[in-house]
Amino acid sequence: SQQGEEDPQALSIQEGENATMNCSYKTSINNLQWYRQNSGRGLVHLILIRSNEREKHSGRLRVTLDTSKKSSSLLITASRAADTASYFCATEPNAGNMLTFGGGTRLMVKP
Amino acid sequence: DAGITQSPRHKVTETGTPVTLRCHQTENHRYMYWYRQDPGHGLRLIHYSYGVKDTDKGEVSDGYSVSRSKTEDFLLTLESATSSQTSVYFCAIREKAVGYEQYFGPGTRLTVT
Repeated sequence: SQQGEEDPQALSIQEGENATMNCSYKTSINNLQWYRQNSGRGLVHLILIRSNEREKHSGRLRVTLDTSKKSSSLLITASRAADTASYFCATEPNAGNMLTFGGGTRLMVKP
Repeated sequence: DAGITQSPRHKVTETGTPVTLRCHQTENHRYMYWYRQDPGHGLRLIHYSYGVKDTDKGEVSDGYSVSRSKTEDFLLTLESATSSQTSVYFCAIREKAVGYEQYFGPGTRLTVT
């Protein structure tokens, strides 16, 4: 079963617009991570947010975490065609050393 | 790709045949993982290793076995491949335990006919 569930499953926007993806999870976590996957490639780590953090930024990426609602969001500002990819959230529990991935959001940025 | 290679990159095999996929890293990381990726399921953990000869099961381990005889190599074996094991397989590595990102290999596309 998937710990994280992304919403929406697919998103299509124009270049320059912002893209927001959401992730919900079920159990307590140590941290939540976001990954990007370009078609036919492996996943690439984007950002990690720990359970005691509420917001984190990295370039055009902004991640929020609400542990009371067990949810996270990834915002990509001023999107580019090169941001077209699938985006996955992954959660890590306090005990153990494995990640559980959600089903992903497919983002298409039209030029 | 963070010093991770997977071989083969593509393989077509027949039902009932054994298959071994190899993951090789040059980073000397302790933790290594095998995932499968299927449409609608995201990535699901098959097995992972936390050191040489130290392995444990993941969410979807049935029908798979692993071995790690040296730090740099993590092998995934399908003892008798089935059509349900048609998938894309990814290897990942991590330097330390909880609280660190994983680095992924390029994937192996396996088709079982």
